[in-house]
Amino acid sequence: AQKVTQAQTEISVVEKEDVTLDCVYETRDTTYYLFWYKQPPSGELVFLIRRNSFDEQNEISGRYSWNFQKSTSSFNFTITASQVVDSAVYFCALIRIQGAQKLVFGQGTRLTINP
Amino acid sequence: EPEVTQTPSHQVTQMGQEVILRCVPISNHLYFYWYRQILGQKVEFLVSFYNNEISEKSEIFDDQFSVERPDGSNFTLKIRSTKLEDSAMYFCASSDTTGKPEKLFFGSGTQLSVL
Repeated sequence: AQKVTQAQTEISVVEKEDVTLDCVYETRDTTYYLFWYKQPPSGELVFLIRRNSFDEQNEISGRYSWNFQKSTSSFNFTITASQVVDSAVYFCALIRIQGAQKLVFGQGTRLTINP
Repeated sequence: EPEVTQTPSHQVTQMGQEVILRCVPISNHLYFYWYRQILGQKVEFLVSFYNNEISEKSEIFDDQFSVERPDGSNFTLKIRSTKLEDSAMYFCASSDTTGKPEKLFFGSGTQLSVL
C-alpha cells in the first residue's frame, strides 16, 4: 500500500522568508509519480509539479523548487522569498504507474504567509 | 488550457435526499475519477472509471454511490440517500488518453452540504 506523510500540519512565516514543506512517502513500487498540489482558500486543486521516480533531478520553477531524494523517500518543496499569495494548503501525492491508478494524498500542510 | 468543469459549485441538500454531481471531463480523456475532501482533511480517492465501467473503488464508495457517463461528455456521481457525513468537497478528475495518469486534471470541485 502507498502512504504519504506530511508531518507539518501548519506553518506560519513572515513574507519574504524561505519555507520548506516536507513530504515523505512509502511505496513498494519501483515506478511511481509524485505530485504537489496547491489548494488556495477558494478550494480548487492547482497542479504544481509531477516527478517520475526515475528522475531524481531537482527542479526549480521561479520561486518554487523541489528536492526529490529516493534514498530517503522524500519529495520536499521549497518556496523562496514567500509572498502572501502563497498562503494555501499544499498537498503531496503519490500514484503508481502500473496497476491501480489512484492518487494517494498526504494530509496537507497549511501555509500562512504573514505580511 | 483545457479544463475539467464541475457543476454546481455548491449544493445544499437535506439528509436522505438524492444528489447528482456533474462533471464534464476534458474531451479526449478516457479515464475519469471522483475524489472527496471532508473539511480540513486530506483528499481521498472514491472511484475510477474507464470504458464505461468502474475500474477501482475505495471502501468509501458503498452502495449509496454510483457513477455514470450518460453521454459522450458528462460524468456524474450520484449519492442515493445522503447522510450528514457525506458533506464534503467532491472533485472530479480526468486523465489523458494514454491511460497513465502522469497528470490528473482536477475540476474546481462541488461543495456538498447535507443538512
